[in-house]
Amino acid sequence: QSALTQPASVSGSPGQSITISCTGTSSDVGSYNLVSWYQQHPGKAPKLMIYEGSKRPSGVSNRFSGSKSGNTASLTISGLQAEDEGDYYCCSYAGSNTYVFGTGTKVTVL
Amino acid sequence: QVQLVESGGGVVQPGRSLRLSCAASGFTFSTYAMHWVRQAPGKGLEWMAVILYDGSNKYYADSVKGRFTISRDNSKNTLYLQMSSLRAEDTAVYYCAREGYSGYDLCCWGQGTLVTVSS
Repeated sequence: QSALTQPASVSGSPGQSITISCTGTSSDVGSYNLVSWYQQHPGKAPKLMIYEGSKRPSGVSNRFSGSKSGNTASLTISGLQAEDEGDYYCCSYAGSNTYVFGTGTKVTVL
Repeated sequence: QVQLVESGGGVVQPGRSLRLSCAASGFTFSTYAMHWVRQAPGKGLEWMAVILYDGSNKYYADSVKGRFTISRDNSKNTLYLQMSSLRAEDTAVYYCAREGYSGYDLCCWGQGTLVTVSS
């Protein structure tokens, strides 16, 4: 149950697009299309942004999109806005009713 | 609306036990799996445990298996986490979360309760 690998930080200017990668193994990300993504602002609880790899919950901006290729899932934020600053975590189902989170990525809007 | 409120956190000495609670409202608690996730200070999220909707099955991360026990009381709409043999590395904010749209995501989270293990 090793944590999924994410870049420590990603930054972009307002209006730009950024992509956060989430690399796992053939036992988790690669085996299931069950990656979810969470946004967390300082001192707050995480918020679900993407589930099942690419689906958005009601109320989440369509500027957020998810995809997967092989053992790597990705979250893309387009039209970057100041409110998008925060930490982002991926999470994958890892089989046998267990889950694993990513290491987390700090997004900075320049 | 879905509401999850954790309680029971505090300062505890190494080797001691502590029980956390998570009071649920705004949804039919007995029909959803529930999870515990923790976050050490300045660190990332760590999935810890899940209990199925009826409490029949429980699954744990290797890091807490054998020390922590997840349980629920559907008559009280409450989720629990019994923690024993606590270590300094168990210091974290503990969140309860409800399974979400796919059954494999966490749609709804509590505000968290801080557990500090220190002598």
